[in-house]
Amino acid sequence: EVRLLESGGGLVQPGGSLRLSCAASGFTFSNFALIWVRQAPGKGLEWVSAISGGGGDTYYADSVKGRFTISRDNSKNTLYLQMNSLRAEDTAMYYCAKDSLSAYYPKSFDYWGQGTLVTVSS
Amino acid sequence: QTVVTQEPSFSVSPGGTVTLTCGLSSGSVSTSYYPSWYQQTPGQAPRTLIYSTNIRSSGVPDRFSGSILGNKAALTITGAQADDESDYYCGLYMGSGTPVFGGGTQLTVL
Repeated sequence: EVRLLESGGGLVQPGGSLRLSCAASGFTFSNFALIWVRQAPGKGLEWVSAISGGGGDTYYADSVKGRFTISRDNSKNTLYLQMNSLRAEDTAMYYCAKDSLSAYYPKSFDYWGQGTLVTVSS
Repeated sequence: QTVVTQEPSFSVSPGGTVTLTCGLSSGSVSTSYYPSWYQQTPGQAPRTLIYSTNIRSSGVPDRFSGSILGNKAALTITGAQADDESDYYCGLYMGSGTPVFGGGTQLTVL
């Protein structure tokens, strides 16, 4: 059974940092691209970042480029999102998701985690 | 910048059939966009229904189906049930490592 479990969310002041983790099980981790998606309260889904199966290729939404860094440790089956210079508009539930077919590009996704809540407020 | 479009809301009667669509503000959706569909109820994580146009995710009943209709991707729900009342999001792959989600459709079953 495929499982994705996010952690690391919490309350942080504007300008602060957080590191999210997504622990995976039930599939060959390095064979699939992974993404982070966020959802602000009452809003829709917004893609944040993606990483290839080997970790060599990373992609970012313009809204987070230069502030967030995605990475993965294939020996630990864990995905990360380092978030720096956080802003109030980064407040959201953050989900990790697994690509359905591709190790290279984040095309379409078949499994999602339950999410971890990030609140940026003073 | 190309926007992914969805109907903001839709209504269907119990037992009825409804087709939700996913388009582009400029251009046509094809299988090359790997259209996918996600269901989300309040307070829950998204659940994948369909990926790569028409592949049903594990455990999804066959009354959910995906296709390309004209210049849009489509999700058809046949025999709608009360617990289908949810938000439905489509996703498209825009190339260069960039997936994009539509704004979602709020489906009411009544």
